[in-house]
Amino acid sequence: NAGVMQNPRHLVRRRGQEARLRCSPMKGHSHVYWYRQLPEEGLKFMVYLQKENIIDESGMPKERFSAEFPKEGPSILRIQQVVRGDSAAYFCASSDIISPAGDTQYFGPGTRLTVL
Amino acid sequence: SQKIEQNSEALNIQEGKTATLTCNYTNYSPAYLQWYRQDPGRGPVFLLLIRENEKEKRKERLKVTFDTTLKQSLFHITASQPADSATYLCALEETGGGNKLTFGTGTQLKVEL
Repeated sequence: NAGVMQNPRHLVRRRGQEARLRCSPMKGHSHVYWYRQLPEEGLKFMVYLQKENIIDESGMPKERFSAEFPKEGPSILRIQQVVRGDSAAYFCASSDIISPAGDTQYFGPGTRLTVL
Repeated sequence: SQKIEQNSEALNIQEGKTATLTCNYTNYSPAYLQWYRQDPGRGPVFLLLIRENEKEKRKERLKVTFDTTLKQSLFHITASQPADSATYLCALEETGGGNKLTFGTGTQLKVEL
């Protein structure tokens, strides 16, 4: 059973370019989460999606960042007009069902974005 | 303000000893708390989840305690091995938080021969 997959693993962009990060959740999982890890900082929640719906985007910067999880295909985190401060590791996690007692999120290997 | 604090200083212990890592939180009402392991250049790997109504959870050499009065979780690794060397992250989800995890900054553990 393949785990959460992310690609690319490393991405280099120049300032002003667009970055597209992809995440394929574990088989059978319909909930996807994106987190960002800046150097020397902890993981910060960005957005939570279900198929075709954004459930919580409270951690997303207001501009330049967007996320989607279409009915078919991977979840995409898109960063437009990247700046040096966007350089970070971006992790995707997935889970299967939401229960009042809690749930486990399984993480992918991350995409390391470097903005030159 | 809300905070999740883990010891930022690295923890060095000798092989075979028990490692104890601390996670303290302020101004949260967690529904549950999770511990993850993260190796350099890799994503976090889930280890244990403990709910607000549970005091202790065990899995092989791992033990987690959760004290909602002290607002603290302790993570223990018994009979530690060099392969246990990694950064350990605690994360919590607030009651009604919609599955959004809030992470501590992690504690680096190094197990020496």
